[in-house]
Amino acid sequence: AQTVTQSQPEMSVQEAETVTLSCTYDTSESDYYLFWYKQPPSRQMILVIRQEAYKQQNATENRFSVNFQKAAKSFSLKISDSQLGDAAMYFCAYRPAYSGAGSYQLTFGKGTKLSVIP
Amino acid sequence: EAGVAQSPRYKIIEKRQSVAFWCNPISGHATLYWYQQILGQGPKLLIQFQNNGVVDDSQLPKDRFSAERLKGVDSTLKIQPAKLEDSAVYLCASSLGAGLDEQYFGPGTRLTVT
Repeated sequence: AQTVTQSQPEMSVQEAETVTLSCTYDTSESDYYLFWYKQPPSRQMILVIRQEAYKQQNATENRFSVNFQKAAKSFSLKISDSQLGDAAMYFCAYRPAYSGAGSYQLTFGKGTKLSVIP
Repeated sequence: EAGVAQSPRYKIIEKRQSVAFWCNPISGHATLYWYQQILGQGPKLLIQFQNNGVVDDSQLPKDRFSAERLKGVDSTLKIQPAKLEDSAVYLCASSLGAGLDEQYFGPGTRLTVT
């Protein structure tokens, strides 16, 4: 079974600074997808960024970028120029690329609570 | 485009009572998911529907939880009877298909069992 581990329960960053959230995962698959989701107090999960395992190039999305190390099974999220609106829970998630049974469930870590200090 | 709708947003019940949650996915989305998110944890899949058929319900506690998706659109998740450990946020998500498509989440229902 796949597992996703986020070792930082809480992080804080000064506004306009950069912060990196860590995530490791375990899988025996060679092809899969990794995601970072943001969950503000409103509870709605919002996709921040996704990475296809077969792509060597790290994904970027405006101020958000990832450092994907496939051999190390590591997938960290870097937030540059942090803004007050970035404060939220951040979840790392894994999904298989192929499923014979058709099940494409997301497996989530426990999350990291990010605080942004003005 | 309207997002995934869920109701109610909050529900408080006593243990052994029953409760139902409703989800309306994004129009045209064939795949619907129910996740349970216990406080301090990430969401965990309870059940996945493809149209009105069940694809994966391996983590659904079938002795007390049931779900249906009539006509392949709206879905209802029911708990009967509820236990204290069922206190959680219940998230509904939908995607256009299953494999490569992004899952869009609703705002969730926060259930408190006393």
